[in-house]
Amino acid sequence: GESVGLHLPTLSVQEGDNSIINCAYSNSASDYFIWYKQESGKGPQFIIDIRSNMDKRQGQRVTVLLNKTVKHLSLQIAATQPGDSAVYFCAEMSGANSKLTFGKGITLSVRP
Amino acid sequence: GAGVSQSPSNKVTEKGKDVELRCDPISGHTALYWYRQRLGQGLEFLIYFQGNSAPDKSGLPSDRFSAERTGESVSTLTIQRTQQEDSAVYLCASSRAGTGQPQHFGDGTRLSIL
Repeated sequence: GESVGLHLPTLSVQEGDNSIINCAYSNSASDYFIWYKQESGKGPQFIIDIRSNMDKRQGQRVTVLLNKTVKHLSLQIAATQPGDSAVYFCAEMSGANSKLTFGKGITLSVRP
Repeated sequence: GAGVSQSPSNKVTEKGKDVELRCDPISGHTALYWYRQRLGQGLEFLIYFQGNSAPDKSGLPSDRFSAERTGESVSTLTIQRTQQEDSAVYLCASSRAGTGQPQHFGDGTRLSIL
């Protein structure tokens, strides 16, 4: 069936370094993608989104890249800070106001 | 501004009891979603509302699960005759209508079935 998956279960980075979190998706009909950050005991927090008619979008310290040819999505975090430590999920959607399909999540751990 | 609000934040109940979980979406958000998250897992879609109708109930795991929504506001998720496998965090999200609208989540209800 269709799925969204993450390549690595955990990522450990040094404070101040850049982080790259990768995600593969398999539904070629997906036209909207979101990255969420989830801290312990909290709900997923919206970070950044991208539509399928774009290949790059930048926010504050974060960039999302979309490669539709290989169905790959990545989240880049610049100058990673201890507060960035959390579980990150990519999610994809097909059509308007549809359900999100989530991957299992990757844990980002920032070393001081 | 106010985000998605869920109550209770924690619920512990005995197997076989019924539980009701509540979600208050962001004002003006016509779409409302329920998801379930088991420990260490991603989110599993349960049901979606557009206004007070539910175009997609495909994720409800059994007929013990039901949900209602009053207009474009509060929604309740009811689980009847709870089982231990129902233990999870139940998350609610809301979004504006239309294509490419991000879903904003509440902090969930952590349900524990003894």
